[in-house]
Amino acid sequence: DIQMTQSPSTLSASVGDRVTITCRASQSIVKWLAWYQQKPGKAPKLLIYRSSSLESGVPSRFSGSGSGTEFTLTISSLQPDDFATYYCQQYHSYWTFGQGTKVEIK
Amino acid sequence: EVQLVESGGHLVQPGRSLRLSCTASGFSFGDYGLSWVRQAPGKGLEWVAFIRSKAYGGTTDYASSVEGRFTISREDSKTIAYLQMNSLKTEDTGVYFCTRAVRVLASNYYYYLDVWGKGTPVTVSS
Repeated sequence: DIQMTQSPSTLSASVGDRVTITCRASQSIVKWLAWYQQKPGKAPKLLIYRSSSLESGVPSRFSGSGSGTEFTLTISSLQPDDFATYYCQQYHSYWTFGQGTKVEIK
Repeated sequence: EVQLVESGGHLVQPGRSLRLSCTASGFSFGDYGLSWVRQAPGKGLEWVAFIRSKAYGGTTDYASSVEGRFTISREDSKTIAYLQMNSLKTEDTGVYFCTRAVRVLASNYYYYLDVWGKGTPVTVSS
């Protein structure tokens, strides 16, 4: 099974900050990686697929990069609506999620 | 509007069975794969089961934690997917999300999960 490891687990930031979350796969997943945002009591929302493709309707301040085993999600200027938990997910072999990164207000 | 609505979740005793439903609208249901993902209270996301479209065999895959106990199926004429859960355990407790799976052709076939329902809660407890 492919394991996904995110870091950090929690991130404290302020509105306007540039935020980067890292995701590492236990083996190469090429570019088959997605990022999701989840708010409490809500379903996850797809932000990025194929490592760097922005889902329709998602603000351009979100971007993704990486290939192989190392990936990043960047929020260029954190907005109040962005405080949430973020998950990476590989879909190279079945589907596995990272443990999540909670972005909280500093 | 593309929508998935789950139903059927409730409190059930260990060892019993439960069937969840996922009703879809706003897209060509039969053209897509479908998946179930669950989330235990206060925990992360765990993929549970997947079914391909009939065009790609309608075949299924399961997480090892539910293999042999859960069965995913679909009824394209009604735009509904199901998750039959048997021999339930306390560790099956959580919110169950139905998701749409988009097929991508590269060197192989890959599916990412784009649309999610709001989820239905399942509690397994005596």
